[in-house]
Amino acid sequence: GAGVSQSPSNKVTEKGKDVELRCDPISGHTALYWYRQRLGQGLEFLIYFQGNSAPDKSGLPSDRFSAERTGESVSTLTIQRTQQEDSAVYLCASSWQRNTGELFFGEGSRLTVL
Amino acid sequence: RKEVEQDPGPFNVPEGATVAFNCTYSNSASQSFFWYRQDCRKEPKLLMSVYSSGNEDGRFTAQLNRASQYISLLIRDSKLSDSATYLCVVKDSNYQLIWGAGTKLIIKP
Repeated sequence: GAGVSQSPSNKVTEKGKDVELRCDPISGHTALYWYRQRLGQGLEFLIYFQGNSAPDKSGLPSDRFSAERTGESVSTLTIQRTQQEDSAVYLCASSWQRNTGELFFGEGSRLTVL
Repeated sequence: RKEVEQDPGPFNVPEGATVAFNCTYSNSASQSFFWYRQDCRKEPKLLMSVYSSGNEDGRFTAQLNRASQYISLLIRDSKLSDSATYLCVVKDSNYQLIWGAGTKLIIKP
């Protein structure tokens, strides 16, 4: 596709359930980022993938959060045993390489945990 | 102290006016700087990179002051469509992107 694609666009779940969010980056982009943005707040870095290198997981807030990416393709962010404080928009972005500040964002997945 | 700080605003500005806001950063080794724009309930989009010599893109001018560790964004002849949140991004020496929380700008007719 032309841009970064994320799904689902909206997800409402009950506390304690697991959720999986998907990101399809721009073709050819080696770098992929996941961010969390709570209402009225800035972007909170979660995890970064660069090609086949080990991901930078330094932003993951707890062991309930995990993410995978196969090569330079689709990535999934999984949140286990969701809590109400997980409610946020989860944004995925991709770029040509790490050594750039030009990120292309998807429209985000809005997660609401009841 | 936050690594990247911005005045959250909102800045309420009449259409046609000039508005400027700053972003301060704490790491003197920061390498690159960017301004992103985020419309309400939308994803951020790159507005412009900030070069050491400053740069201009139409009505938008970005400046870097390394001595005082801040970057600025100036918008001339503001339009209603400029209403958005402006995010400052700083790339450190480890290629980490550090995001400010944003400055909200409201242009009023």
